Amino acid sequence: EPEVTQTPSHQVTQMGQEVILRCVPISNHLYFYWYRQILGQKVEFLVSFYNNEISEKSEIFDDQFSVERPDGSNFTLKIRSTKLEDSAMYFCASSSLSNQPQHFGDGTRLSIL
Amino acid sequence: EDKVVQSPLSLVVHEGDTVTLNCSYEVTNFRSLLWYKQEKKAPTFLFMLTSSGIEKKSGRLSSILDKKELFSILNITATQTGDSAIYLCAVEAANQFYFGTGTSLTVIP
Repeated sequence: EPEVTQTPSHQVTQMGQEVILRCVPISNHLYFYWYRQILGQKVEFLVSFYNNEISEKSEIFDDQFSVERPDGSNFTLKIRSTKLEDSAMYFCASSSLSNQPQHFGDGTRLSIL
Repeated sequence: EDKVVQSPLSLVVHEGDTVTLNCSYEVTNFRSLLWYKQEKKAPTFLFMLTSSGIEKKSGRLSSILDKKELFSILNITATQTGDSAIYLCAVEAANQFYFGTGTSLTVIP
């Protein structure tokens, strides 16, 4: 069964550094999403992306964050200048249509030191 | 404020028991409610509900939505140890997605 893959599985970065989290959505999916889950807290929506542009973003997704689909397969989340509070599990998800269920990747655990 | 509230927060049952997990929500422009099972890593999709009163069923799992009272339940019958996981409820509203904190289910042999 096709799946969403995320790399790396764990990223450790110094505060203030830039990080790029990578995702390969399911190949025929058109809608892409990023979520984060701070340890012990709920999953939080960050952004949705369709047709090479952001469809919707939450209050969390401020100017420090950006997303990109640099080629036909990758979908990336960039955090420009990381803060301690950015430490979390970041999940990528994709769906074939906006009204279809999202399939999640295994996540990237981001640790900011 | 919490837009999606799940209860109970955690539950411990014996194999063979039936469990009911609850999810209530308060959002504007509701579109759908989804249930996911989260074991070690990625949440895996269980159900998507958009209409009231129509039960969705998959094996021992079933779910129903009440859009008037703004809640959904997830039932698991004849529980097995493999059902042990965190069950997440998520609501799509106004093009955003709101998750509850999840219910942690532990099934004891």
